Order: sequence, then structure tokens, then C-alpha cells
Amino acid sequence: EDKVVQSPLSLVVHEGDTVTLNCSYEVTNFRSLLWYKQEKKAPTFLFMLTSSGIEKKSGRLSSILDKKELFSILNITATQTGDSAVYLCAPNNNDMRFGAGTRLTVKP
Amino acid sequence: DAGVIQSPRHEVTEMGQEVTLRCKPISGHNSLFWYRQTMMRGLELLIYFNNNVPIDDSGMPEDRFSAKMPNASFSTLKIQPSEPRDSAVYFCASSYGGTDTQYFGPGTRLTVL
Repeated sequence: EDKVVQSPLSLVVHEGDTVTLNCSYEVTNFRSLLWYKQEKKAPTFLFMLTSSGIEKKSGRLSSILDKKELFSILNITATQTGDSAVYLCAPNNNDMRFGAGTRLTVKP
Repeated sequence: DAGVIQSPRHEVTEMGQEVTLRCKPISGHNSLFWYRQTMMRGLELLIYFNNNVPIDDSGMPEDRFSAKMPNASFSTLKIQPSEPRDSAVYFCASSYGGTDTQYFGPGTRLTVL
């Protein structure tokens, strides 16, 4: 059975801290891994990763995929209160199973 | 672009009633996904369509749930009869074939009393 595990489940930091969120997966027919940010509304797309070892960056956020070890990390540097959200990862195959998410709280 | 449009945004109904949720994908997108999100189970894929054809409905909880996509710009998710355990936020998302980026609608919050 496909499995997606995110860690930590919850994280509380102060503004300016750097955080690393983890996503490990075991799925069949893997095509890509997606990261989403969900605040109070619908998830918004952050990154799609298809190749190992190639970092994708968007401002203070970056992500990388390791297809051999079956995990991905999402880094956020110089965190801000606006980064507070649930971060979801989803390995994209025919099943599109989402992880439970990491709830990040950034305090002023 | 208006993004993915869902209606209604909120629905409160009584157990046993039929509920129909609607979705209009982003114009030009040819894949459409229905998700359900609850506190207990997180985000779950229910069904997805490619070029209006249902590809995988293994996530549909039971026969009370059905989804249709009569054309490229409209899809419905129907629950008949509804039960209190169906209470959740239902998201519709669309993507363009060849890319995996899905764009989510605002969701429909369903409450079944």
C-alpha cells in the first residue's frame, strides 16, 4: 500500500529561524513529488520535483528530491509569520496520496 | 483567469438528502480531480478525470458517491443519500495534461446534520 509520511507533524519557530520539513514516501508508479501550502483555504502549489538532486527555489523556499532514498525536503529560510500554514507533500502517481502535513507556526 | 470555480461554497443539509457539488476547471485544463478533506483523514483523492473520462475512482468511499464530467468545463460530485460522516470540505482541482501542477478551487464546506 502506498505510504506518505511527513515530519515533524507540528513545528513552532520564531521569525528569522530556518526550518526543514521532511516527506518520505513509498509509492508505485511515481512520477513526481508535489509540495503545497495550505492556510485557511485551499492548498496552493509550491513545487513540483521530478529529478533527484536538483534544487528548486522560490524566494526563501527551496526543495529537493532524493528518488533513491524516497524522500524530499522543503526548506524555509528567514521564516516570517506569513509562512504559518500546513505544508503538504504528495507523490504524484495514479493515486495522488497526500501526507498528513506539517503544521508550521512562526511566532513574531 | 478566474481559477477553478466551485459551488456552493457552503452547504448545510439533513441526513438522507441529495447533495450536488459543482466545479468549473480552469479553461484549457484537461484533468480534473475531486478531493475530500477532514481533520481525521486529511486530504484524500476521490476521483479524477482526464479529457472528461473517469480514470480512477478507487478513492470514492461508497456507492452513495458519484461524479460526472459531461464536458470539459463542468463536473459534479453527487452524494445520495448524504450522511453526517460525509461532512467535510470538498475540493476540486484541475491541471493541464503533461504537467502535474494542480490548481485547487476554494472548496465546498459540506455539513450534513
